[in-house]
Amino acid sequence: DAEITQSPRHKITETGRQVTLACHQTWNHNNMFWYRQDLGHGLRLIHYSYGVQDTNKGEVSDGYSVSRSNTEDLPLTLESAASSQTSVYFCASSADNNYGYTFGSGTRLTVV
Amino acid sequence: QKEVEQDPGPLSVPEGAIVSLNCTYSNSAFQYFMWYRQYSRKGPELLMYTYSSGNKEDGRFTAQVDKSSKYISLFIRDSQPSDSATYLCAKAAGNKLTFGGGTRVLVKP
Repeated sequence: DAEITQSPRHKITETGRQVTLACHQTWNHNNMFWYRQDLGHGLRLIHYSYGVQDTNKGEVSDGYSVSRSNTEDLPLTLESAASSQTSVYFCASSADNNYGYTFGSGTRLTVV
Repeated sequence: QKEVEQDPGPLSVPEGAIVSLNCTYSNSAFQYFMWYRQYSRKGPELLMYTYSSGNKEDGRFTAQVDKSSKYISLFIRDSQPSDSATYLCAKAAGNKLTFGGGTRVLVKP
């Protein structure tokens, strides 16, 4: 069965370190998204991609970057982790012209 | 002002009651609206989507859009303890979704 997987499920890192969160989907979806979810703010869009080599900034992109070298993967990199980036991160994918996002199970990141 | 606003709850109801959830949105350009359900420590899953105004039913769930009032509603009939979750509304633009903050619902047996 097709799926979308995120790794790791939990991570603790120190302030200033570079961290990469993985997202892998086997739906063959062109569109992939990264959101963070925080109490009081809901899901906020960090970065998104509409296809290979395409990346775009969302509403909370500062301090984050993504790259899309193939259809299946959209890794999210925190260039220099900050305590404000402690959050739960969700990756999602969708087919073109389809708003039925499929979400991963999330990565809980703690920056100490 | 956030583009999509939801009351965070929690909303607590007895089993069998009707759950009524609402969202308001601020931009009239959007045509598609969705409801997602999120269980604790899980990713959101699509529950229903609607286009334009009117009602859409799917089993015990009814989604309603009132574009004149910029109001989106979700009704859950005969609520079950398994309906206890956070419900997020979303509106679509291009291929992107903008989410409300979510309403936590607790259905007590």
